[in-house]
Amino acid sequence: SQKIEQNSEALNIQEGKTATLTCNYTNYSPAYLQWYRQDPGRGPVFLLLIRENEKEKRKERLKVTFDTTLKQSLFHITASQPADSATYLCALDRGGKLIFGQGTELSVKP
Amino acid sequence: GAVVSQHPSRVICKSGTSVKIECRSLDFQATTMFWYRQFPKQSLMLMATSNEGSKATYEQGVEKDKFLINHASLTLSTLTVTSAHPEDSSFYICSATGQGQTVAKNIQYFGAGTRLSVL
Repeated sequence: SQKIEQNSEALNIQEGKTATLTCNYTNYSPAYLQWYRQDPGRGPVFLLLIRENEKEKRKERLKVTFDTTLKQSLFHITASQPADSATYLCALDRGGKLIFGQGTELSVKP
Repeated sequence: GAVVSQHPSRVICKSGTSVKIECRSLDFQATTMFWYRQFPKQSLMLMATSNEGSKATYEQGVEKDKFLINHASLTLSTLTVTSAHPEDSSFYICSATGQGQTVAKNIQYFGAGTRLSVL
């Protein structure tokens, strides 16, 4: 069955630095991969979608890469701010459904 | 745009009672709605997928008689937890995909979630 792994440990970084989160997957070749942000006690909010034929996608301070050979996606937040502190989830498409990773908790310290 | 409203945000009930959770798409037609369950520090686990006007498709291991899903219109889906027990306590989240000017293809728009506590 498909397996998705994200950094299980929380990521703590200093304000202004670049945060890099990893999403690895096995036993599947998704047509696209998505990243969501989830704040405590709230539903996820969509951030970016990247398709299998795309290497990189950017949106403001966010950048996502997708390496289908390594079966890995990297999610970068540049010039990080305390307001970026949240849990970030990657999700793989599975025939119209999404399979979510367990998420990585990011904490940006001022 | 693309707002999904979920109600209630929190519910506390006694063991054995039934609880209904509503999920509404406010500014688009939700052709498909999804129901997830999330335990603390864990991922979202898909429970079922529902399309308007048809029966929900449940994921393996999810009891359809326990978790009743109705998707009677293009803007409303409900999840009823029947005869709730303490082990049903969890965070339930709905999402929707659909059509309209406010939505993008393949993106799921999530409600704020419902925290269910069964005493």
